[in-house]
Amino acid sequence: GQQVMQIPQYQHVQEGEDFTTYCNSSTTLSNIQWYKQRPGGHPVFLIQLVKSGEVKKQKRLTFQFGEAKKNSSLHITATQTTDVGTYFCAGDTNAGKSTFGDGTTLTVKP
Amino acid sequence: NAGVTQTPKFRILKIGQSMTLQCTQDMNHNYMYWYRQDPGMGLKLIYYSVGAGITDKGEVPNGYNVSRSTTEDFPLRLELAAPSQTSVYFCASRAGTGLGEQYFGPGTRLTVT
Repeated sequence: GQQVMQIPQYQHVQEGEDFTTYCNSSTTLSNIQWYKQRPGGHPVFLIQLVKSGEVKKQKRLTFQFGEAKKNSSLHITATQTTDVGTYFCAGDTNAGKSTFGDGTTLTVKP
Repeated sequence: NAGVTQTPKFRILKIGQSMTLQCTQDMNHNYMYWYRQDPGMGLKLIYYSVGAGITDKGEVPNGYNVSRSTTEDFPLRLELAAPSQTSVYFCASRAGTGLGEQYFGPGTRLTVT
């Protein structure tokens, strides 16, 4: 079945440093979403990427979708303490099934 | 709009007991999902539905059952609870595949002892 791998599992950074998490799918995706989950909370949608090679930005966050639509990345520039949490990618198949990666947990030291 | 609501918030079950986790959405979404999240882990898809009367298995369906008799409701049934089912259960909905955001409920924290 479809598998979505995400690395790294954990990332500890000093405030102001950059952060990147990578997502790789075993199959071609119709689209990919990114979510953020704070401790004790539920996943909250950040963005969706649909087109091959797509790049989207939200303030300090940059999201990319690979040319083959099998990989994606999230990059945060100049992390802040408010960025702490776990970031998940989720890949869709055309059948509507959604597969989440295991997430990258970001901690930021002030 | 309340969005996606889940009940109960917390539950402790004894081994072998059964229960139903409720999930309701008021956004008229066609797609609904049940996930479980073990401590420190990602979300694993249990079952999903693309519309009323249609359900399909996800990655980890064993020990669970679902039904989708209405657009709004997508209950998850646990039969013969086992300690391995101790987890946080999230229900989510969205309008349709390719339409982006899954809206998550607050979750149900279940402990089986």
